[in-house]
Amino acid sequence: KAGVTQTPRYLIKTRGQQVTLSCSPISGHRSVSWYQQTPGQGLQFLFEYFSETQRNKGNFPGRFSGRQFSNSRSEMNVSTLELGDSALYLCASSLAGPGREQYFGPGTRLTVT
Amino acid sequence: QQPVQSPQAVILREGEDAVINCSSSKALYSVHWYRQKHGEAPVFLMILLKGGEQKGHDKISASFNEKKQQSSLYLTASQLSYSGTYFCGSFYNQGGKLIFGQGTELSVKP
Repeated sequence: KAGVTQTPRYLIKTRGQQVTLSCSPISGHRSVSWYQQTPGQGLQFLFEYFSETQRNKGNFPGRFSGRQFSNSRSEMNVSTLELGDSALYLCASSLAGPGREQYFGPGTRLTVT
Repeated sequence: QQPVQSPQAVILREGEDAVINCSSSKALYSVHWYRQKHGEAPVFLMILLKGGEQKGHDKISASFNEKKQQSSLYLTASQLSYSGTYFCGSFYNQGGKLIFGQGTELSVKP
C-alpha cells in the first residue's frame, strides 16, 4: 500500500498571503488529522476529518481551516499568514480516527517571510 | 491537557536501558507512543488502553498505570537505531483528539 503523501513538501510564502496544503491518506483510511510541529511547541493538533466531516478541532485561530473530499483526500488552508505560522505541517491517516494507529505523511515545511 | 513527559532528553550508550514517563492530569482512555527520527515523520510504536496492560515492540515495551494516569516506555539494551524523539499522546475519550506531549529526545551513542 502506498503511504500518506503530502504536497507540496516545501513552501515559502510572504506574510499576509494564504496557502493550501494537501494530504492523500492511505487507501481505505477515512480519518485524516492535521498537526503543526514547531521546535518550541512540539506536535499540536489542528483538526481531524472523518468522512468529509470535521470531528475535532484544536486551539488554533479561524485562519486555519480544512476540508475533506469524498475520496478522503484532505486540504488545509491558512489565510493571512503570520511569521509564527512557519512550521512543519503533518497529516496523519487512520482507519477510524486518532484513537487508532496513525500513519504520518512526510509533512510540508512552510516558511513565512 | 497536554501530557507531561520526562525526562526531556537522555543520552545513552549502546546496550543501556532507559525509561520515559508520560503523565496526565486528566483520566485517560488510552496512551499512544510514537518515535520520530530527525528529518522524518513520526512512526507509531504502540497503544495502551486503560486497564494497566503492558505491551512490547521488539525490545521496547510500555505500561499504563490507570490509577496514576501515567504511562512509561521502557527501552532495554538500546541500539543506535533507537535514537530519536519519543512522543506520548493522550487520548481522553472515544471520538476525541490525540494530544501529544512535548517529546523526549533520546540519543544512543556507540
